[in-house]
Amino acid sequence: GQQVMQIPQYQHVQEGEDFTTYCNSSTTLSNIQWYKQRPGGHPVFLIQLVKSGEVKKQKRLTFQFGEAKKNSSLHITATQTTDVGTYFCAGPGTNDYKLSFGAGTTVTVRA
Amino acid sequence: EAGVAQSPRYKIIEKRQSVAFWCNPISGHATLYWYQQILGQGPKLLIQFQNNGVVDDSQLPKDRFSAERLKGVDSTLKIQPAKLEDSAVYLCASSLGWGMMEQFFGPGTRLTVL
Repeated sequence: GQQVMQIPQYQHVQEGEDFTTYCNSSTTLSNIQWYKQRPGGHPVFLIQLVKSGEVKKQKRLTFQFGEAKKNSSLHITATQTTDVGTYFCAGPGTNDYKLSFGAGTTVTVRA
Repeated sequence: EAGVAQSPRYKIIEKRQSVAFWCNPISGHATLYWYQQILGQGPKLLIQFQNNGVVDDSQLPKDRFSAERLKGVDSTLKIQPAKLEDSAVYLCASSLGWGMMEQFFGPGTRLTVL
């Protein structure tokens, strides 16, 4: 079955620094979605990427979908304490619409 | 716009007992999902409804888990009998349709099985 893997599992960042988290799928994805889950909260949709090589920005967050549609990345610039949480990527396979979530990257920020 | 509602928020039971969770999706959302999220992991889809029909339940442990969405709106998820490994957060989500659709998650029910 389809597997979605995320690295790193944990990211400890100094406030103001940049970091990138990566998402890799064992199969080609029709699209990739990113969600953020704050500590004690529930996943909240951030963005969806559909096209090969697509890049989208949301303020300090930059999302990219790989050319082969099997990987994606999230880059955060000038990390703030509000960025704390777990970031999940999720993607359906090309033959079904069932979302498979990665295990997430948990981000902590040092002030 | 009201979000996805779930109850209860917390539940503690002993193994072999039964438990039921309730979900009310966002009004007008045809697709409803139940996920299980074990601590430190991503959500795992248990069952997906389109209106009141099941689209996917391939990861639902059917010997002990059951779910229904009788009128295509509210849904209940039941576990009977519960096992220790069922301790997790049960998330309900909804979307306008299925496919490439943003999912809106409820606050979840944290289940502890002792």
